[in-house]
Order: sequence, then structure tokens, then C-alpha cells
Amino acid sequence: NAGVTQTPKFQVLKTGQSMTLQCAQDMNHNSMYWYRQDPGMGLRLIYYSASEGTTDKGEVPNGYNVSRLNKREFSLRLESAAPSQTSVYFCASRKEFSYEQYFGPGTRLTVT
Amino acid sequence: GENVEQHPSTLSVQEGDSAVIKCTYSDSASNYFPWYKQELGKRPQLIIDIRSNVGEKKDQRIAVTLNKTAKHFSLHITETQPEDSAVYFCAAEDSNYQLIWGAGTKLIIKP
Repeated sequence: NAGVTQTPKFQVLKTGQSMTLQCAQDMNHNSMYWYRQDPGMGLRLIYYSASEGTTDKGEVPNGYNVSRLNKREFSLRLESAAPSQTSVYFCASRKEFSYEQYFGPGTRLTVT
Repeated sequence: GENVEQHPSTLSVQEGDSAVIKCTYSDSASNYFPWYKQELGKRPQLIIDIRSNVGEKKDQRIAVTLNKTAKHFSLHITETQPEDSAVYFCAAEDSNYQLIWGAGTKLIIKP
């Protein structure tokens, strides 16, 4: 099993450009999450999906959109990137009746 | 909503000594408290967790204690080793079953 995978690993964008971060899991988990990690601020939840076809806002959703394409895939889209969105983005998944979250390797995004 | 505070932000200990990291939370309804370890450039990984029906849980050199009355929980690492150097995050489950995270503690093990 590959677990949780994310693409790309690194990305540099100019202000105003758009991009989609991809996430996939092969563990048949229902719940999936997108976090951003900034120095000294821990992990902050952007959006989550409790099951295929549902998405909900987390703590910091502004400037982002998500799509739960199917049970395996959960993508995060930045429509018009801003320097404040420079961060490391982690996708995670969780199986039903368990609290443990499994993280992907992260995407380091820089917006200039 | 839930708020989690974590201290200290940086902890430096001599190899072989013990390390203690503390977290406080605000929502008395929270029932699940995990600790994750993140090595430099890697993803966070669960190392130990505790539920509100127990006061202490141990796994080899690591242990977590929970005081529900005071709303705080702590991570204890004994006989620290170089490979324990990492950033440690605590978290607490909120009313929507999501995790609210502390800001992290950078643990440095001095040889």
C-alpha cells in the first residue's frame, strides 16, 4: 500500500496564478483532510470530507476550494494564489471508527 | 470552540534525560488526545494517544498523562535518544470530531 500520496512535492507560483494540489489514499478511508502548516502555528484545517460527495470548511477555508472526486481522491484548488498562501500543505485520511489520521508527504508551496 | 495551547515551544535536554511537553485544552467535552511526531522534512506520525476514560498510557519510553479536571495532558519521554529529536504536536478532538492542534514543541537532544 502506498498510503496517502500527494502531488506535486514542490511548487512555485506567481501571485494570481491558480493550481490544484492532488491527494489520493489507497486505504479505503472515508474521511480526508487538507491542512496547512506554517512555522510556529501547528496544523490548521482548511477543508475536510467525511465521506465521498461531502465537504466542509475547516478553520482557514478562505482562498481555497476542494473536490472529493471519489473515495480515493481529495483535491485542493487555489484559484488566485496570494503570498499569504505560502505554506506546506498536508493531506490526511482517517478510517471509520478510528481517530488516527494518516498524513501524506506534503507539498511545499511558495507564492511570489 | 476548542483551543489547544502547547508548551514549551522549544525544549533542549541532555541525551539520556527525560523530556516533558504539556498541553492544555478548553473544551471539557473533548475525549481524545493524540501526540504526533514530525521529523525534519517529514510527515506527522501518531506516536501515542489517550482517551478520556484513562489517566495514563505508556508505550516503552513514551507515556501520556491526562488530567480531565484541570484540562491538561502531557507527553513524557524517558531516556531520550538522538532519534527523539523532532517537533511534537498535541491535539484534542473538537465537537465535530476534528482535531485541533497545538503549535508544536521542537525537542533537541544534546549529545
